[in-house]
Amino acid sequence: SQQGEEDPQALSIQEGENATMNCSYKTSINNLQWYRQNSGRGLVHLILIRSNEREKHSGRLRVTLDTSKKSSSLLITASRAADTASYFCATDAGDNNDMRFGAGTRLTVKP
Amino acid sequence: SAVISQKPSRDICQRGTSLTIQCQVDSQVTMMFWYRQQPGQSLTLIATANQGSEATYESGFVIDKFPISRPNLTFSTLTVSNMSPEDSSIYLCSVAGFLNEAFFGQGTRLTVV
Repeated sequence: SQQGEEDPQALSIQEGENATMNCSYKTSINNLQWYRQNSGRGLVHLILIRSNEREKHSGRLRVTLDTSKKSSSLLITASRAADTASYFCATDAGDNNDMRFGAGTRLTVKP
Repeated sequence: SAVISQKPSRDICQRGTSLTIQCQVDSQVTMMFWYRQQPGQSLTLIATANQGSEATYESGFVIDKFPISRPNLTFSTLTVSNMSPEDSSIYLCSVAGFLNEAFFGQGTRLTVV
């Protein structure tokens, strides 16, 4: 079953602008992860943030986690056309490492 | 990181037939996961496949429709049985990495006509 809700569902920006995507979830989690999916392809893992972490950086990516609000955000700075993809958050709540995915945000970066 | 090879990458099948999707991992993993992604939707977990035991299915998925094999620690198959057009989706296998991140195969795009 789905765990997360993401907003916006779709985001269109110009190259060079920052893109912010949000994710909310419902239950307690061990960690939250963000993935990118280019059209019709497999998912690529971007970043993992644990439940005891509040912020994490990886290159142009910045992820925040607020466990009190059960929400996370993914910020992509200085976006590029190649960042055009769908972005999903996924939560790991159990012992089995099975992930529950949000609905995703479709990001379009215009050159 | 784990490298996952999934076959076939895509297929077009007649309704009423079955398709078996293979997933090969380049390292031994305890659990493998099968997901479905319907057109324009997010991923939904179908089942968790453990080596040496029956797969654990999520609500809404049953073994008769999606039988899974896990003969060893590097391989698994998912069969989509008695297919209908509603089964048209991308099917992905996944494994958990050392840091609990998930690695995915490239997916199998299934179209049922």
